[in-house]
Amino acid sequence: GEDVEQSLFLSVREGDSSVINCTYTDSSSTYLYWYKQEPGAGLQLLTYIFSNMDMKQDQRLTVLLNKKDKHLSLRIADTQTGDSAIYFCAETYMDTGRRALTFGSGTRLQVQP
Amino acid sequence: EPEVTQTPSHQVTQMGQEVILRCVPISNHLYFYWYRQILGQKVEFLVSFYNNEISEKSEIFDDQFSVERPDGSNFTLKIRSTKLEDSAMYFCASSPGQGGDEQFFGPGTRLTVL
Repeated sequence: GEDVEQSLFLSVREGDSSVINCTYTDSSSTYLYWYKQEPGAGLQLLTYIFSNMDMKQDQRLTVLLNKKDKHLSLRIADTQTGDSAIYFCAETYMDTGRRALTFGSGTRLQVQP
Repeated sequence: EPEVTQTPSHQVTQMGQEVILRCVPISNHLYFYWYRQILGQKVEFLVSFYNNEISEKSEIFDDQFSVERPDGSNFTLKIRSTKLEDSAMYFCASSPGQGGDEQFFGPGTRLTVL
């Protein structure tokens, strides 16, 4: 079955770049997503990338996809203390009737002032 | 900005009791979902709902679970006879059904089964 793996913890200093990594096993994945979860809150969709793309940039966020290695990364430029949260990657193979997201275990990002 | 809402934010129940978790998806979305996150574990898919019927479900979604769209705005998850292991955060989500079909999540309902 599908599996999505992430490292559990990342600590960076304010102003540095953060890179959160994710690997997945399902080569038929079509969409890959990044979600942010702050304490006590729901899952906030940050961005997504379609599997035929290599890169997507959205303000401070850059998503890189290496489809050959099944590796996804999220780079946050100029990381701020407000970026401290748990970041989840998720994948789906969007087909007729199938849209279930498979989530990684989440990476806790701690931003030190 | 439209958002998914869920009620209640926290539900405490006794083992064996029935609970209904409520969600109001984003109004023009076509797909609705329930996920759960047991404390310290991954977010897990339960079920998706489209055109007034279940379109996909996971192994977790067994006979004790059911979903319903009782009117034009609400989407509910019923757990018939709760077990201790049903204690989790339950998230509702909705998606437009086109393009990237991004799923937007509600804030969750924390269910505690005693």
